[in-house]
Amino acid sequence: DAGITQSPRHKVTETGTPVTLRCHQTENHRYMYWYRQDPGHGLRLIHYSYGVKDTDKGEVSDGYSVSRSKTEDFLLTLESATSSQTSVYFCAISEVGGWGNQPQHFGDGTRLSIL
Amino acid sequence: DQQVKQNSPSLSVQEGRISILNCDYTNSMFDYFLWYKKYPAEGPTFLISISSIKDKNEDGRFTVFLNKSAKHLSLHIVPSQPGDSAVYFCAASVNAGGTSYGKLTFGQGTILTVHP
Repeated sequence: DAGITQSPRHKVTETGTPVTLRCHQTENHRYMYWYRQDPGHGLRLIHYSYGVKDTDKGEVSDGYSVSRSKTEDFLLTLESATSSQTSVYFCAISEVGGWGNQPQHFGDGTRLSIL
Repeated sequence: DQQVKQNSPSLSVQEGRISILNCDYTNSMFDYFLWYKKYPAEGPTFLISISSIKDKNEDGRFTVFLNKSAKHLSLHIVPSQPGDSAVYFCAASVNAGGTSYGKLTFGQGTILTVHP
């Protein structure tokens, strides 16, 4: 199994509070991704990183920010959580990031509920 | 604008029979296609993939077929086993030139139930 740890695994918080989710990898992969999974939508890309301090927006980035200060850690922050951000969040890593056909590998997810 | 679609939300199959999961896409730039399997409370697990230069890829009980002219791919599981019961996602990316950074676009998922 790919060495990907997401924390916390579950979180319940209130609207308007800041929330940070952490993804930690031990594979030394360059590329990291945050997705959210919602019924009827599959997984949708929020933000991704192609190196330390190199990040960019995905399909559903509004209301989210990310940071990557070390190769192994990719943080997702909801500055002011809203109920529409209730979801299951998955982190993924990739060794090649599209340079060659290799799959992304996923963590076990964080279930976030915003009341 | 859903670029990858799985039009069957669920599929029920008897153990030992074939399971066929389908996926359609609209973006002709997609050149790498993957299937992931997901159990409850776990992350998606990579199952099998295919490059656009091929029309078939096989790995044990799993075979993926790609029809580029129809923009359609399918996953065949033969024989199906109760442990195959899970949600299956197809995904696609544009890998040519590496400029997409491997970003994946997913379908909505199909719940497969294999009955003993």
